[in-house]
Amino acid sequence: GDSVTQMEGPVTLSEEAFLTINCTYTATGYPSLFWYVQYPGEGLQLLLKATKADDKGSNKGFEATYRKETTSFHLEKGSVQVSDSAVYFCALSSAGNMLTFGGGTRLMVKP
Amino acid sequence: GAGVSQTPSNKVTEKGKYVELRCDPISGHTALYWYRQSLGQGPEFLIYFQGTGAADDSGLPNDRFFAVRPEGSVSTLKIQRTERGDSAVYLCASSSGQGTPLHFGNGTRLTVT
Repeated sequence: GDSVTQMEGPVTLSEEAFLTINCTYTATGYPSLFWYVQYPGEGLQLLLKATKADDKGSNKGFEATYRKETTSFHLEKGSVQVSDSAVYFCALSSAGNMLTFGGGTRLMVKP
Repeated sequence: GAGVSQTPSNKVTEKGKYVELRCDPISGHTALYWYRQSLGQGPEFLIYFQGTGAADDSGLPNDRFFAVRPEGSVSTLKIQRTERGDSAVYLCASSSGQGTPLHFGNGTRLTVT
């Protein structure tokens, strides 16, 4: 079945540092790939998505590129802010619009 | 506009009791999903509705779990004979159709004592 593996956290960075959160997946066919974010006390929000190989999703300074050859969708941001502190979930959708999530990575950004 | 609303936000119940969790999706969204998120883990799929019917209930862990969506809008997740292992945050999401983003509610935190 489908699965998503992402790096365990917490990831602790200083403000303005470069961020990478690794995500790899296993799926049949050609899934769509997503990053969701959960800020403290809030619900899951879609951060960005990519629907086919080599697509790059981007939002709020975050980027991720759909790499079919390495089955990866790593999340990156060039300069993190304290307000980016949250839990980030990588996810895929391959049938029926249902999402399969990774375990989540907590990011803590210190001023 | 209004997002996905889930009630109650917190529910504490005793082992063996019956609980109902409610989800009000975004108006006009035909697809509705239930997920369960245990502490420190990602959400796990439970059931998916397209309109009034359950299109996929393969994620329901056992027959103590049941969900309905009688009029194609509000959905209720029902758990019978609750067990301590059912303690988790139950998330609801809705979308306007295939390939469109899922919008999540803030969840119901269920604690079984």
